[in-house]
Amino acid sequence: SQMTQSPSSVSASVGDRVTITCRASQGIHRWLAWYQQKPGKAPKLLIYAASSLQSGVPSRFSGSGSGTDFSLTISGLQPEDFATYYCQQANSFPLAFGGGTKVEIK
Amino acid sequence: EVQLWESGGGLVQPGGSLRLSCAASGFIFSNYAMIWVRQAPGKGLEWVSGISESGDSTYYADSVKGRFTISRDNSKNTVFLQMDSLRAEDTAVYYCAKRRDTSGLYNLDFWGQGTLVTVSS
Repeated sequence: SQMTQSPSSVSASVGDRVTITCRASQGIHRWLAWYQQKPGKAPKLLIYAASSLQSGVPSRFSGSGSGTDFSLTISGLQPEDFATYYCQQANSFPLAFGGGTKVEIK
Repeated sequence: EVQLWESGGGLVQPGGSLRLSCAASGFIFSNYAMIWVRQAPGKGLEWVSGISESGDSTYYADSVKGRFTISRDNSKNTVFLQMDSLRAEDTAVYYCAKRRDTSGLYNLDFWGQGTLVTVSS
């Protein structure tokens, strides 16, 4: 399944609510993960199974969706949240990542 | 504490070979599938290869099939990526990552710091 993210970038301010969407080319139930990546660093798992929060991840991150349409929401953007976010089909090989969404400071 | 440490990257000429290693610690290595993901400069993440817990099953992206070989040594807690017939488009930071659970979905909960492979003459 191919993964398409939108938008490719978004400008936002501290405190804003930001939503990123991910669409799968075919239904993947809830087999979707979200990652955060900062420049020069490895990706970090935020959400798995579409809406389950990985241990240690702040509760301002939330995920939703099933089938082909998914979203990641950051409620109350913090300075440390400015990064690039990727979705990933997690069910089976070949694994597939979305193209990424860069969250930038307005 | 889970740690993954990649090594083996460097500069190689087109058509050449490299062998990447990923040394793991802090978890029961033989219980987890392992994954390689790469990221070309300024680009997004691309899944490259995966290997089952025992090493019996291996998987490859079409872009590397027939050129790359994944393997693991559970006695040394290490996963390898043998890369042959390298092309300029293989230039990337290569990450190894651990599956979060011992079965089921391939959510990747721990990643190494990455090792840079540059294919250029």
